[in-house]
Amino acid sequence: DAKTTQPPSMDCAEGRAANLPCNHSTISGNEYVYWYRQIHSQGPQYIIHGLKNNETNEMASLIITEDRKSSTLILPHATLRDTAVYYCIVRPRGLTGGGNKLTFGTGTQLKVEL
Amino acid sequence: EAQVTQNPRYLITVTGKKLTVTCSQNMNHEYMSWYRQDPGLGLRQIYYSMNVEVTDKGDVPEGYKVSRKEKRNFPLILESPSPNQTSLYFCASTPSGRARAGELFFGEGSRLTVL
Repeated sequence: DAKTTQPPSMDCAEGRAANLPCNHSTISGNEYVYWYRQIHSQGPQYIIHGLKNNETNEMASLIITEDRKSSTLILPHATLRDTAVYYCIVRPRGLTGGGNKLTFGTGTQLKVEL
Repeated sequence: EAQVTQNPRYLITVTGKKLTVTCSQNMNHEYMSWYRQDPGLGLRQIYYSMNVEVTDKGDVPEGYKVSRKEKRNFPLILESPSPNQTSLYFCASTPSGRARAGELFFGEGSRLTVL
C-alpha cells in the first residue's frame, strides 16, 4: 500500500468544519483513498472512500486533488462526538491479499472543543 | 442491526492459561480477520479468513490460532498466553464483493491483559 502522511493532531471548534489533510504522493492509478476513524479505543469505523472524484455521504465529504497526491476529509459541522483518531489509507481497487487487509498508520488525533 | 460482536470485552489472565476470544458477525460476510493494536505500532493483522474452513496468517500470527467452522464466527485462540500478548484486539469482517472490499466492519474490541 502507498504511504500516507497526516498531521499528528488537530483542533476544531464545535459546529465548525473540520478539514483533515492527507498526503499520498506515491498513490498509483488503481488505488483508492479510504478514511476511517477510531473513537477512544473503540473499533475503527469506515467513513468514506474515493478514487478521483469528490465524494460525499451522511458522515463526511472527501476532496481529492486533481493529481490525486493529496486529499482532505471534511466534517462539515464537527461535534464533540467527532473527537477521534482519523486514518487515511490508500489501497488497491477491489479485493486484496490478506482478506482485504487494511494497513493503518498513526492517523490524526482530532479534538473537537466547545 | 449490522454488527460484529466480540467477547469478552475485558479479560485479565495469567501466563499459560488458554483462552478464546469469540467473534461473531450478522452480515453474512465472507471475509473475517483479527487485528491487535499496541501503542506506537498501530493495528496489525494476526489472522484472516476468506471463507469457512479457509484461514491464513497475517503479519503477527505467532502465539495465536483461529478457526472458521461457521461463516458467522471466527474465534481467536491463545493456547498459552504470554505477557507480550497483552493488547487490544479487534475482529473485523468485510463483504467479498469488489465494490465494498475496503469497507471493514470492526468489533468493539477486547482488551486482554496477561500477567
